Amino acid sequence: DQQVKQNSPSLSVQEGRISILNCDYTNSMFDYFLWYKKYPAEGPTFLISISSIKDKNEDGRFTVFLNKSAKHLSLHIVPSQPGDSAVYFCAVVYTGGFKTIFGAGTRLFVKA
Amino acid sequence: GAVVSQHPSWVICKSGTSVKIECRSLDFQATTMFWYRQFPKQSLMLMATSNEGSKATYEQGVEKDKFLINHASLTLSTLTVTSAHPEDSSFYICSAILQTGTNEQFFGPGTRLTVL
Repeated sequence: DQQVKQNSPSLSVQEGRISILNCDYTNSMFDYFLWYKKYPAEGPTFLISISSIKDKNEDGRFTVFLNKSAKHLSLHIVPSQPGDSAVYFCAVVYTGGFKTIFGAGTRLFVKA
Repeated sequence: GAVVSQHPSWVICKSGTSVKIECRSLDFQATTMFWYRQFPKQSLMLMATSNEGSKATYEQGVEKDKFLINHASLTLSTLTVTSAHPEDSSFYICSAILQTGTNEQFFGPGTRLTVL
């Protein structure tokens, strides 16, 4: 039973447009949420995070939105750049249990 | 930012041999490190949580005798794949948490293991 779902395995966006990556989770006990970016044959790198007490966090071109009632979070990248092409993983944390669970990832292609 | 290194980055071994992968936190101390395995086009699968000075906690379905974890210091955790077989071929990634309250994990660059 997947606790974290990224239903879109891939997404293709034109350079300069907005990229929206989605993530759904099942357990309301998760209270911290992160997005990681990963290039092939490399470890993931942290991108942005949000705690359950907020519904939005912004860092430059990256904004994460959290809808707790829907158990849904999304990552917005605007404007998208070719260098953003990578696999994006959402991760959820239950800080009481100190465990991070990752989604399956969404491969983003940003076309020049 | 915090840096985690892994060594080796790529290893090829014969079936039946054992392989050790090192994970080091270079500029911070990590009481807890994690080991993940990633299959092609799949998510990161948590294998075990490595705690300094104590036994690792393995996830369900992960053989602790197959994947030996040693966290002997605050900056080093090792994963040894014992009697490796071709199905153990995978990308192994470690991470460490910088315990500043952000829950952010810093990941190593990964180790690609190929078992012939």
